Amino acid sequence: SQKIEQNSEALNIQEGKTATLTCNYTNYSPAYLQWYRQDPGRGPVFLLLIRENEKEKRKERLKVTFDTTLKQSLFHITASQPADSATYLCASEGGTALIFGKGTTLSVSS
Amino acid sequence: SQTIHQWPATLVQPVGSPLSLECTVEGTSNPNLYWYRQAAGRGLQLLFYSVGIGQISSEVPQNLSASRPQDRQFILSSKKLLLSDSGFYLCAYLLAGHQETQYFGPGTRLLVL
Repeated sequence: SQKIEQNSEALNIQEGKTATLTCNYTNYSPAYLQWYRQDPGRGPVFLLLIRENEKEKRKERLKVTFDTTLKQSLFHITASQPADSATYLCASEGGTALIFGKGTTLSVSS
Repeated sequence: SQTIHQWPATLVQPVGSPLSLECTVEGTSNPNLYWYRQAAGRGLQLLFYSVGIGQISSEVPQNLSASRPQDRQFILSSKKLLLSDSGFYLCAYLLAGHQETQYFGPGTRLLVL
C-alpha cells in the first residue's frame, strides 16, 4: 500500500541554523508532494507543493526538493527562528484524499 | 476568499452520550469535504469524505457517521461515544477543480470520559 514516512519524530536546532526535514514515500510514484505546518491545537496550514517534474521550489526561507530516484522530499528552513517551531507534515496524493505522514516536530532554540 | 469553521472548539462528553460536530465552509461551492481524526503519535486518520450533498464515503468502519445536508455543511455524529473516540477532529475542504491542496478548519478537541 502507499506509504508516506517522516522518519524523525523530533528535530532540535539552534536559531539561525538550517532545519532539514525528510519525507520518504514507498510503493507508488506521486505526481506531487505537499508540506503543511501544524501548531499545537490548530489545524494544519498548507506551505508548499512540489510536482514530480520540479526539482526544487522556494518560498521565502522555505525550500522543498523532490527526488524521484531516492523517493524522497526534503524540506528546508533557512535562518531558522523560534517562531518556526511547529510540527511539519508531508502529504501526497492518495486518490480520494491526501495521505499524510505522522509529522516531524521542529524545536528552534534561541 | 474561503473560510472554514468548526464547532465546538472543545468538548468533554461522557461515555455513551451522543456527538454532533459541525463544519461549514464559506466562499466556495461544491467543495470536497473531509473529516480527519488526529491522535498523538498516529498522524491524520481520514474518517469520511464527501464529494456532494448526501454523498458520504467512509474510510474506516467505526462508531461514527457523517452527513452532508447542505453543500457547505459537513456533520460528524455518533449515537454512543466510546473512550477511544477521544481525539482532535479536523474538517478540511478541497476547492472544486483544484484537487490538490486541502484547507483545514481549526479543529475540535474531544475528550470522552
